[in-house]
Amino acid sequence: DVKVTQSSRYLVKRTGEKVFLECVQDMDHENMFWYRQDPGLGLRLIYFSYDVKMKEKGDIPEGYSVSREKKERFSLILESASTNQTSMYLCASGQGGEQFFGPGTRLTVL
Amino acid sequence: QKEVEQNSGPLSVPEGAIASLNCTYSDRGSQSFFWYRQYSGKSPELIMFIYSNGDKEDGRFTAQLNKASQYVSLLIRDSQPSDSATYLCAVNVGSSGSARQLTFGSGTQLTVLP
Repeated sequence: DVKVTQSSRYLVKRTGEKVFLECVQDMDHENMFWYRQDPGLGLRLIYFSYDVKMKEKGDIPEGYSVSREKKERFSLILESASTNQTSMYLCASGQGGEQFFGPGTRLTVL
Repeated sequence: QKEVEQNSGPLSVPEGAIASLNCTYSDRGSQSFFWYRQYSGKSPELIMFIYSNGDKEDGRFTAQLNKASQYVSLLIRDSQPSDSATYLCAVNVGSSGSARQLTFGSGTQLTVLP
């Protein structure tokens, strides 16, 4: 079975802090994705990567950056967390159109 | 503007009935379409994908695609209480390398009543 893991299920940070969310997949997928999910807005793509060190902006990249130094690991970075970044963050990996999601990180920024 | 629209519901059907979930999309260039199911408190999981006009059946699930009308639907036959979940429609709107960028609808919440 494909397994996508995320570093934390719940995270509480303060405004202005630098936040790292990590995602690891064990299926040797080339493609990895970061989404946020908010009530009424659905899943929105932040960034994705189709190869090591390659990244592409999604629909809402402002305030975020990513890093992919190894094929299995894709990190989302909030350089200076703000309250409007309080959300559920979901990582996914996949080949073609099929994406497998991790359990999510519920981030609260106070 | 790339958009995927779904009725948010909630949609309630009795057990054993057919549940019909609809999705429209704005980008005529979209080539592939996906249905994900998300149980409360869980992550989305892929249940169906469809690339060609017409119907695609998988067990109790049927995906229907009409590119001319820009809609895709999911039918669930013999609905069970375990089908109660939020169903997300996703449309491929672009590619980089082998990665297909998906735009998701906001989801339709389905409740199957025993």
